[in-house]
Parts: sequence; C-alpha cells; structure tokens
Amino acid sequence: AQSVSQHNHHVILSEAASLELGCNYSYGGTVNLFWYVQYPGQHLQLLLKYFSGDPLVKGIKGFEAEFIKSKFSFNLRKPSVQWSDTAEYFCAVNAAYAGNNRKLIWGLGTSLAVNP
Amino acid sequence: GAGVSQTPSNKVTEKGKYVELRCDPISGHTALYWYRQSLGQGPEFLIYFQGTGAADDSGLPNDRFFAVRPEGSVSTLKIQRTERGDSAVYLCASSLRGLAGGRTDTQYFGPGTRLTVL
Repeated sequence: AQSVSQHNHHVILSEAASLELGCNYSYGGTVNLFWYVQYPGQHLQLLLKYFSGDPLVKGIKGFEAEFIKSKFSFNLRKPSVQWSDTAEYFCAVNAAYAGNNRKLIWGLGTSLAVNP
Repeated sequence: GAGVSQTPSNKVTEKGKYVELRCDPISGHTALYWYRQSLGQGPEFLIYFQGTGAADDSGLPNDRFFAVRPEGSVSTLKIQRTERGDSAVYLCASSLRGLAGGRTDTQYFGPGTRLTVL
C-alpha cells in the first residue's frame, strides 16, 4: 500500500531563513507528486507538482521541490521564507498508471510558522 | 464558477441525524473526489467519480456514507445516523480529466465543510 511520510510536523523559522520540508513515499511504481499549502483560514492550494521530466520542479511563491527517485523523496525547499509563508504544507502522491486509482495519498502535514 | 465550492461551510448536527454535504466542481471538470480531514491529519480519500459513476469508493468508511453525482457535475455526500467520530472537515476536489486523461491530472480543492456531530 502507498504511504507518505512527512518528517517535520512543526517548523518554526525566522524570516529570511531557508526552508526544507521532507517528504518520502512508499510505492514501487511510477508516481505523481504534489505539494499543497493551506494558509490559515483558506482551502488547500496547489504549490507545485511533478509528473515527469526535470526532477527539479519550481512552483509558486519561490518554492521548489526535487524528486529523487532512488530515495523515494520529494522535499520542498525555499531559500528565504517570509512571514506570509506561515501555513500548513502537505505532500501528496498518487500512482501514475494504476488503473482506476487516482486517489491522492497524503502525509500528515507540516505546520510552518515564520516569525517576523 | 471560478473554483470548487462547497455548502454548507459549517454543519452542526446531533448524533443519529442525517446530513447532506454539497460540492459544486469547477465547470467542465469530469472527475470529482471527496476527502475527509480530521484535526492534525492529512486528507483521507473517500470516493472518486468519473462523470456520473463512482470509479472508486474504497475509502468510504461504512455503509452510512453514500455519495451521488447524478448529472456529472454537482455531487452530494450523504451521511446517515451520524456519529461523533464523523466530525471532520469534508473536502471536495475536482480535476479536468481524471481517469480518462492519463497521469497528468491535477486536483483542485474546495474550502471544505466542517461537520460537527454533538
């Protein structure tokens, strides 16, 4: 069965600090990978996604993620965080070719607080 | 509409009652998904519609939960004999192609319905 693990549950940073949030998945086949963000009081929004091609994916608001197939990882990074990045971040995976299976499997989320 | 909408935004009910939660997907999206999110957890898959049919309902926790999408657009999630453990945020998402579009398909989420069962 597929599963997603996010290593950091709560992260506190100061503005301008660099960010890396870990995400590992378990699935032997080809996967699609996503990072979603949920700002306080708002709904889930897509931050970035990986389907194929260049394993370094750039998303909105200066975020990027790198797919490392050998490590089953898709870590999220941002060189310099801002107070407005305070939010809950979710990593999600679905199997790319598994017949009817389009459901996303989610990590537990990482709560990021950025202090001004 | 511009995005996925869900109504009501909040629903408080008593144990044993019946509730209906509505989802209006992005216009033209053929696939629709329901997820449930409990506090401190990631979303948990419930059911996926391709058009009018439920392509995957493996996440529905028991037969008290049922969902329909009769015309291939709006969907209703129905919960009978609600229990306190059903309290959660129920999320709806839609995507353009779903199963028919191959692997490159992205799900867009609504704001959710917060269900509280007293």
